[in-house]
Amino acid sequence: DIVVTQSPDSLAVSLGERATINCKTSQSVLHRPNNANYLGWYQKKAGQPPKLLIYWASTRESGVPDRFTGSGSGTDFTLTISSLQAEDVAVYYCQQFAPSLTWAFGQGTRVEIK
Amino acid sequence: QVQLQESGPGLVKPSETLSLTCSVSGGSISSHFWTWIRQPPGKGLEWIGSIYYTGSTNYNPSLMSRVTISVDTSRTQFSLRLTSVTAADTALYYCATGTALCYECSVIWGQGTMVSVSS
Repeated sequence: DIVVTQSPDSLAVSLGERATINCKTSQSVLHRPNNANYLGWYQKKAGQPPKLLIYWASTRESGVPDRFTGSGSGTDFTLTISSLQAEDVAVYYCQQFAPSLTWAFGQGTRVEIK
Repeated sequence: QVQLQESGPGLVKPSETLSLTCSVSGGSISSHFWTWIRQPPGKGLEWIGSIYYTGSTNYNPSLMSRVTISVDTSRTQFSLRLTSVTAADTALYYCATGTALCYECSVIWGQGTMVSVSS
């Protein structure tokens, strides 16, 4: 079974500073036929359903601020918030959804204001 | 714009079967993947399983022996069935689906329905 591991479990960042979250999958989620990495990033705030931020590892969902950037390929991925805003306080999850694999979320990373 | 709404009992007894339905409005169920995800109180998101509109399914290995997801295209809804529930199945259950840009992604979500397992 594929395992998805995020780091760190939590981080505190000053307003306007950069936040970086890492995600590692135990198997590659790069699908060679279309050269796509089947990985997404979600933001979860209390009382709301999760919100998709990034898909195909680096494609920003419509309406998502450009301070959110996804990168990586294969088994190692990163979500970067370039300039943390108060409204970005949330738990962030990566999820792999590769063909022919069982899908899985990472354990989540809590982002707070320092 | 597609909208999703979960429905089902909020309380299920231990060892019984949890059944939830996700009603789809504003679009066709004959495309994309249709997914169930849950979040136990104080814990992270857990992918339960997904079904392609053709009926092909993919389940979380830890739940595979107890879970069934089905789709009813005529009624534009899909369903979750989880047997032999225990307190560990107490969670907020979400249904979700993708879009033409990402069939597999969970782009559109229901608001979630809380299910408690207790006698």
